[in-house]
Amino acid sequence: EIVLTQSPATLSLSPGERATLSCRASQSVGSLLAWYQQKPGQAPRLLIYDVSNRATGIPARFSGSGSGTDFTLTISSLEPEDFAVYYCQQRSDWPLTFGGGTKVESK
Amino acid sequence: QVQLVESGGGVVQPGTSLRLSCAASGFTFSSYGMHWVRRAPGKGLEWVAHISYDAIKKYYADSVKGRFTISRDNSKNTVYLQMNSLRAEDTAVFYCVRDKAYGVYWFDPWGQGTLVTVSS
Repeated sequence: EIVLTQSPATLSLSPGERATLSCRASQSVGSLLAWYQQKPGQAPRLLIYDVSNRATGIPARFSGSGSGTDFTLTISSLEPEDFAVYYCQQRSDWPLTFGGGTKVESK
Repeated sequence: QVQLVESGGGVVQPGTSLRLSCAASGFTFSSYGMHWVRRAPGKGLEWVAHISYDAIKKYYADSVKGRFTISRDNSKNTVYLQMNSLRAEDTAVFYCVRDKAYGVYWFDPWGQGTLVTVSS
């Protein structure tokens, strides 16, 4: 099973600041990595797929990068609605797996 | 618009069974693979099961293999999750999710979820 490790577990930032979230895979997943956002009481939604492609309707302040085993989600300037939990997910191999999540909270 | 609506959650005792349903609309259901993903209280997301568009391929997480069965009825635009021998650790919100595209196992979109509570 491919284990995805996200860091940090919690990120405390203020609106307008830049957020950098990390996801590390236990073995190479190539470019088969996605990011999801989940707000309290809501279902997750797809943000980024294939490392760096924004899903439909996702603002340009969200960007993804990386390859192989190390990946990054960057939010260039946090908006109030961006405070949420973020998960990475790989589809390189079964079982499909998620990282443990990073909570972006307001400082 | 694309919509996934789960139903069938509830409170059940350990060792019993429950069947979840997910009604799909707004897209050609028979062309897409479907998944169930869950989130236990205070924990992260866990992929549970996948069924291909034609129901030929099925995959399961080790934690549910042998206890849960995913199925679909393309004539009813519905996917199911039969859950047997339920355990306390199966307590979670279960989400129905669609493949982003054929053979592309990104989860998009998601249903609103249905809560399953396993407790005596």
